[in-house]
Amino acid sequence: AQSVAQPEDQVNVAEGNPLTVKCTYSVSGNPYLFWYVQYPNRGLQFLLKYITGDNLVKGSYGFEAEFNKSQTSFHLKKPSALVSDSALYFCAVRDPGAGANNLFFGTGTRLTVIP
Amino acid sequence: NAGVTQTPKFQVLKTGQSMTLQCAQDMNHNSMYWYRQDPGMGLRLIYYSASEGTTDKGEVPNGYNVSRLNKREFSLRLESAAPSQTSVYFCASSDGWVGTNEKLFFGSGTQLSVL
Repeated sequence: AQSVAQPEDQVNVAEGNPLTVKCTYSVSGNPYLFWYVQYPNRGLQFLLKYITGDNLVKGSYGFEAEFNKSQTSFHLKKPSALVSDSALYFCAVRDPGAGANNLFFGTGTRLTVIP
Repeated sequence: NAGVTQTPKFQVLKTGQSMTLQCAQDMNHNSMYWYRQDPGMGLRLIYYSASEGTTDKGEVPNGYNVSRLNKREFSLRLESAAPSQTSVYFCASSDGWVGTNEKLFFGSGTQLSVL
């Protein structure tokens, strides 16, 4: 079975500071990993994905994520937070080896960037 | 550049009433999906359609039916609404075949309350 966990419901960070939103996953094979962001009253928007290759993945709006197979983690990072980064962030995983046709989403982490 | 369009944005139903949520995409995508979003539970897949004319159950299909009317449109029907179906519903589409490493494009959601 595949699953994904976001251990923090809420992350607060000061504007200009680095931010990290944590994600860990559980799959039987090699995972496909994704980050999505949701702004108020909007649908989710794709940020980045890891399929294979370089463990550091760069995405939209200056975000990046690091795939760590030994720790089964895929944390989202940004060197310098902006107030406009305040939103709900979702990690998602798919196990292609299991024949799954579904993305499993975490419960979301609300990021608040304080001016 | 509409992307994925959902209607209605808000709906209040009484228990036992029926309704259809409409979704259309203008990106010529093959795959379409219906998710529900509940507090503390992330997004869960209700149904998906890998191509025109095909539909498959997702994680939580009970109480719902779907129709892939054509390549653009994918509707979700609640035949007899229950309070447990109070949720925010998102339609999504993707370019690749469901099960590959495609990214999803989401509509802005339908907030449904069942009294």
